Order: sequence, then C-alpha cells, then structure tokens
Amino acid sequence: SQKIEQNSEALNIQEGKTATLTCNYTNYSPAYLQWYRQDPGRGPVFLLLIRENEKEKRKERLKVTFDTTLKQSLFHITASQPADSATYLCALDETGGFKTIFGAGTRLFVKA
Amino acid sequence: DTEVTQTPKHLVMGMTNKKSLKCEQHMGHRAMYWYKQKAKKPPELMFVYSYEKLSINESVPSRFSPECPNSSLLNLHLHALQPEDSALYLCASSHRRGEETQYFGPGTRLLVL
Repeated sequence: SQKIEQNSEALNIQEGKTATLTCNYTNYSPAYLQWYRQDPGRGPVFLLLIRENEKEKRKERLKVTFDTTLKQSLFHITASQPADSATYLCALDETGGFKTIFGAGTRLFVKA
Repeated sequence: DTEVTQTPKHLVMGMTNKKSLKCEQHMGHRAMYWYKQKAKKPPELMFVYSYEKLSINESVPSRFSPECPNSSLLNLHLHALQPEDSALYLCASSHRRGEETQYFGPGTRLLVL
C-alpha cells in the first residue's frame, strides 16, 4: 500500500541547533515533493518544492534533499529559532492523479 | 492579493442544521480544493474543482455538497452532519489542477453537536 511517513510525531531541539526532519514514502513515484509549515488552527503554508531530478534545494535557513532511490526527503532548518516551532508537513503528488498527499507531520519545538 | 480567505472562522451546528462554508481567492487560480483535517492528522482531500467543474470527489458523503459559483468562489454546503464531521475545513487554490503549490486559507473550525 502507499504510505508517507514522517520520522517522529515531535522533535525538541535547542535554539541555534539544526533541526532535521525526515519524510519517507513507499509505492509512490512522485515527480516532486513539497514541504509545508502549519501553525495550530491555521492552514498549511508552502515552504519549498524539490523535483525528482534535483538533489538539494535551499531557501534562507531551509534546506531540502530528495533521494528517489531511498524514497526519502530530508528537511533541515539551520540556526533554529523558537519562532520555527510549528508542524512541518511533507507532501507529494500521486502520480497521474493530480492529487497531493500529505504526511502526518512532525511537530517541532525549539527551546530558547 | 495573494491570500485565500475563508468564512466563518468558527462554526457550531446541530445535526439537523444546514450551513455553508465559503472560500474566496483573487489570484486568478483555476483550481480550488476542499480538505478536511482532524487534530494531529494530515489534511485529507475532499473535492477538487478545475475551471469551475468538479473534477475529483474523494467519495465524500452526500451531506457535504460543494459548489463553485465562479472562478474566485468555492462553497461547501453542510446538511445533517454527524459529530465525527467536526474538524478544521481547509480551502486551497492553485494555478490549475496538478499545479504543484497550493495556497491554503486559514480554515473553518467546525463543531457538530
């Protein structure tokens, strides 16, 4: 069956450290993978998209990698800040289905 | 204008009520989506409209009835809901169906008593 798994339900890190979140998938062949941020009671906000032919993408303190052999994406936040505390969702397209499938998310807590 | 707006922000309704959720975007997007999200769960797709036509219905019960009056508006009509339908209802839009990035509204928090 098709599955998207994000490494842990919650991740606690100290301010200034790098947070690394994992997204693994099975039985999908996505053309791209996205990461969204969601704050409590709010809608997801798009952060980054990486395509199947890209290994890495960066935006300010954010970095995403995509390994189609391992069927895994890693999402890094460097120099993390308490304001980075949120739930981070990975999402991929269901091949040919024009449908975005979301992972359950990882709740990140950055302590000052 | 780069935002998707949703009204109301909160809604409490009884199982016999009829209510509607509204969503609006002025980004010229031609695909609009309804998602349902329960606590600590990912958003689950309910409906997709592409060029004002319903293109995906994820086997949603008929007590949920979507409507797309024009390219900027999306409604979700609710009737005879069950308590298990209580959730955050999210609207999103994208340039077109299959376009990668979706822009989400803030959601409507629905409680069915």
